[in-house]
Amino acid sequence: DAGITQSPRHKVTETGTPVTLRCHQTENHRYMYWYRQDPGHGLRLIHYSYGVKDTDKGEVSDGYSVSRSKTEDFLLTLESATSSQTSVYFCAISPGTVYGYTFGSGTRLTVV
Amino acid sequence: DAKTTQPNSMESNEEEPVHLPCNHSTISGTDYIHWYRQLPSQGPEYVIHGLTSNVNNRMASLAIAEDRKSSTLILHRATLRDAAVYYCILFNFGNEKLTFGTGTRLTIIP
Repeated sequence: DAGITQSPRHKVTETGTPVTLRCHQTENHRYMYWYRQDPGHGLRLIHYSYGVKDTDKGEVSDGYSVSRSKTEDFLLTLESATSSQTSVYFCAISPGTVYGYTFGSGTRLTVV
Repeated sequence: DAKTTQPNSMESNEEEPVHLPCNHSTISGTDYIHWYRQLPSQGPEYVIHGLTSNVNNRMASLAIAEDRKSSTLILHRATLRDAAVYYCILFNFGNEKLTFGTGTRLTIIP
């Protein structure tokens, strides 16, 4: 979708290696989010950010860290990837509650 | 967080209106009702949201019950491209996190 891009779109990595996923926005929105989607679990919030250097945990944050040093970029890092982190990861942005979220196209991560 | 209840699946004929129900009996006064949909192999897409009054946009209409304990998303003329999972979500002002449930899988019959 215009205004939000995720990279890479696909990645295969080995167990134990670090992985960083990037979310980039051009909308200057305050809020940014990382979700994962797995069969049988739907979309679950990993971490979110409400401003530069302001982040908080979601419901499935174990094994993940995030950073937001600029308004436009929100990075999700798997310090040591595990097979349970094989998933589709979605980034989303929002200017606030009274507005809808815009989601990226997703990153399909496979940990082997 | 207040919960929503939606049917697991629905079917509708192409070119006919579709009414997708959502129950949210524990809604609070500061909860907004948001609807998203997810087409196959895509990220979720914002559809519409409202607080108390009915809302219309180019994609759909949202009808909110007077007591706010239920709402209905209305697609006025379904097309095959409307086949998706539709999520009804309560979004609390000040708690800036969307929590997704399992949604309703809508199938459009040609």
